[in-house]
Amino acid sequence: AAGVIQSPRHLIKEKRETATLKCYPIPRHDTVYWYQQGPGQDPQFLISFYEKMQSDKGSIPDRFSAQQFSDYHSELNMSSLELGDSALYFCASSRTGRYNEQFFGPGTRLTVL
Amino acid sequence: AQKVTQAQTEISVVEKEDVTLDCVYETRDTTYYLFWYKQPPSGELVFLIRRNSFDEQNEISGRYSWNFQKSTSSFNFTITASQVVDSAVYFCALSEARDNFNKFYFGSGTKLNVKP
Repeated sequence: AAGVIQSPRHLIKEKRETATLKCYPIPRHDTVYWYQQGPGQDPQFLISFYEKMQSDKGSIPDRFSAQQFSDYHSELNMSSLELGDSALYFCASSRTGRYNEQFFGPGTRLTVL
Repeated sequence: AQKVTQAQTEISVVEKEDVTLDCVYETRDTTYYLFWYKQPPSGELVFLIRRNSFDEQNEISGRYSWNFQKSTSSFNFTITASQVVDSAVYFCALSEARDNFNKFYFGSGTKLNVKP
């Protein structure tokens, strides 16, 4: 069965650079969630989209923005990167009405030097 | 306030021992969902179980079992006859069902070390 795809899997950036993370949800899933997991921490919700509209927002820095496109894939754009942005970024997808079941992608490991 | 509490930061056991990972949650919703995920050193989140608030039946899957008790707001996870491959960080998570778009609240995780 198809799973959530995230790209790239690993990314190394310098401070103050920008990064774009991509997420391709499971086919027919209409909702995408982004989570950030810092070293030794639990995943923290950043933002979610339903049918290309932002549906919920968590502790996402103003330097980050995200969107969902017409094909339901989503991109997380991160600017002015800081050392503290180094983390594992998970994307999850779900289908509305499906008992809150979210399927997580493998994550993108971002390292900011 | 933390919605999901995993009080055990790290547990070490010897192979073949049974181990229980505790999870206590907090919600005002009558409908909610609880999850357990395993995160091995490779980093991915491996889904283990989902339980909705209306189903208090305990579940067993091989060496894994889950004890859901609404009276104590707990959803504990037991591994029987642990194996080295069970070594990982285990997260308990809560999703509230106010609408269809609900984020997960994760506990801080319990790192399980199973020694040979």
